[in-house]
Amino acid sequence: DTEVTQTPKHLVMGMTNKKSLKCEQHMGHRAMYWYKQKAKKPPELMFVYSYEKLSINESVPSRFSPECPNSSLLNLHLHALQPEDSALYLCASSGAGRQGGFPGELFFGEGSRLTVL
Amino acid sequence: AQSVTQPDIHITVSEGASLELRCNYSYGATPYLFWYVQSPGQGLQLLLKYFSGDTLVQGIKGFEAEFKRSQSSFNLRKPSVHWSDAAEYFCAVARTGGGNKLTFGTGTQLKVEL
Repeated sequence: DTEVTQTPKHLVMGMTNKKSLKCEQHMGHRAMYWYKQKAKKPPELMFVYSYEKLSINESVPSRFSPECPNSSLLNLHLHALQPEDSALYLCASSGAGRQGGFPGELFFGEGSRLTVL
Repeated sequence: AQSVTQPDIHITVSEGASLELRCNYSYGATPYLFWYVQSPGQGLQLLLKYFSGDTLVQGIKGFEAEFKRSQSSFNLRKPSVHWSDAAEYFCAVARTGGGNKLTFGTGTQLKVEL
């Protein structure tokens, strides 16, 4: 059982739609991540939030907009996506900075599989 | 810059046979090292981690890994593979003092023959 919950598990959207992916964790972690994973490839980091502040943006196109409303929730807002954005989007959490923990020890959700038509 | 190499894209083993998955890293100091496993359609799960101390680390599901500084390697092993071990395995490295940014290897797809 994963302690990082992602919804929806599957999402199909058109290029003009606006949709959101949601992620929730209740482990008290203060760092949360969005990764994108294409088939047969490793995950690619998109965004990192640390203590609800965006700390890393890996030059992600603005059609992806992250939001961290509180320490337990992470959203990824999607707008005007392209078919090549179809992928598995993974959320992860970890301890951060003052929390200690093992750098790089991430807890992943099961992902949201996105298809853009 | 740090990097991780997994030389084997696919590996097939028979159930009950031993397994070794290779991982080499490039980094100036001793990094944090990890093995993650991903079953089809699932997220990633941490198998084991290493930073310091005993160079042979034990993980979940009967896996172990050995850190060899001289070879810049962190190979994953299991004495007897089960059919449920079929999955994608990723080696990863995190910089010391570099926050929580992981660099993943390209992955090794493990197939288990019954």
